Amino acid sequence: DTGVSQDPRHKITKRGQNVTFRCDPISEHNRLYWYRQTLGQGPEFLTYFQNEAQLEKSRLLSDRFSAERPKGSFSTLEIQRTEQGDSAMYLCASSHNTGGLVNGYTFGSGTRLTVV
Amino acid sequence: ILNVEQSPQSLHVQEGDSTNFTCSFPSSNFYALHWYRWETAKSPEALFVMTLNGDEKKKGRISATLNTKEGYSYLYIKGSQPEDSATYLCAFASQAGTALIFGKGTTLSVSS
Repeated sequence: DTGVSQDPRHKITKRGQNVTFRCDPISEHNRLYWYRQTLGQGPEFLTYFQNEAQLEKSRLLSDRFSAERPKGSFSTLEIQRTEQGDSAMYLCASSHNTGGLVNGYTFGSGTRLTVV
Repeated sequence: ILNVEQSPQSLHVQEGDSTNFTCSFPSSNFYALHWYRWETAKSPEALFVMTLNGDEKKKGRISATLNTKEGYSYLYIKGSQPEDSATYLCAFASQAGTALIFGKGTTLSVSS
């Protein structure tokens, strides 16, 4: 297992288009998190899953954002009708059921989204 | 709204200097405090996960302390090296099962 992988690494899209990102967590981790980071800010929580169940979703998250983890393995994050304000680094992380209490979260390298 | 504050925002030191950063978090409903190092073009990497008041953890030249009663944690780097240059993030969990809330980070630059 090579860690958490995210695809694509970079995405440039025109405003109004839909985009989808994929995250493959560490196989034995049952928790998966999505964060967004913009310039000068720390990672902002978007949503998280335990197995296939989406347990929490940020109240700040627009209805244009949706995430799935259909079989409790990989996850996808879709943004519909992208806006320039969606430009950010989208980070995925995974952890054991303890919520990363012992070893913390394992992060992927992120997907850099640019909306033009 | 839970808020995690980090200071300073950025720091520039010379090789060999020792330095420290501060993370402030809500002192009520504390569950865990994490520190991560995020180097440019890499993934954030977990440094420490701390849960007990008064806890002190160490990894090589880096150490961290935790005061849950007053809501702060310090990260210390002894004898900074250029490879320590990174953004250091702290993150707070208010209860088991909730996602981490991150601060904005402290960006450290070490010159040789």
